[in-house]
Amino acid sequence: GQNIDQPTEMTATEGAIVQINCTYQTSGFNGLFWYQQHAGEAPTFLSYNVLDGLEEKGRFSSFLSRSKGYSYLLLKELQMKDSASYLCAVRDSNYQLIWGAGTKLIIKP
Amino acid sequence: ETGVTQTPRHLVMGMTNKKSLKCEQHLGHNAMYWYKQSAKKPLELMFVYNFKEQTENNSVPSRFSPECPNSSHLFLHLHTLQPEDSALYLCASSQDPGQGPDTQYFGPGTRLTVL
Repeated sequence: GQNIDQPTEMTATEGAIVQINCTYQTSGFNGLFWYQQHAGEAPTFLSYNVLDGLEEKGRFSSFLSRSKGYSYLLLKELQMKDSASYLCAVRDSNYQLIWGAGTKLIIKP
Repeated sequence: ETGVTQTPRHLVMGMTNKKSLKCEQHLGHNAMYWYKQSAKKPLELMFVYNFKEQTENNSVPSRFSPECPNSSHLFLHLHTLQPEDSALYLCASSQDPGQGPDTQYFGPGTRLTVL
């Protein structure tokens, strides 16, 4: 079966750096997405990786290793507004998105 | 504001009621999706419409009935639901499934409670 694993919950301190990991086993691979979802709101697109390596976008970076079935989302200079759930999703060979259950990130002052 | 709107935002219904959820996208996309989001579970894809044609139905019970009159509007008709159907129902749209990143953009969801 297809599976996306990410930690259920993480806690970090304002101003620090946090890395949220995602591992996947899917039938085929056509890209990996990270979304941010604040409580009661829509998931919003953060990043897309299809080739190995690091994609940097401001305070957020996303890394992909296709051979290891592994990605991480790196958040720098954490702010209180970064408290949210972070969803990892992989597009499989049928171009369907397979979703992880999300990682709830709690930022403490 | 993602360009995808959903109404109502909250809905409480009894098991014998009939109600409809509405989604509208203002992004000029060709594909629209219904997802179910339950607490601490992955998003579950329910239906996909591409150019108004249904292309995916992931074994969804018949008490959920989608309708896509045009590329901008998507409905989910609900009847004789069960308490376990209580969840957040998310609508999304994308430009062109199967092409490039084809990022999906989500609406804020309808929080459904079935009594």
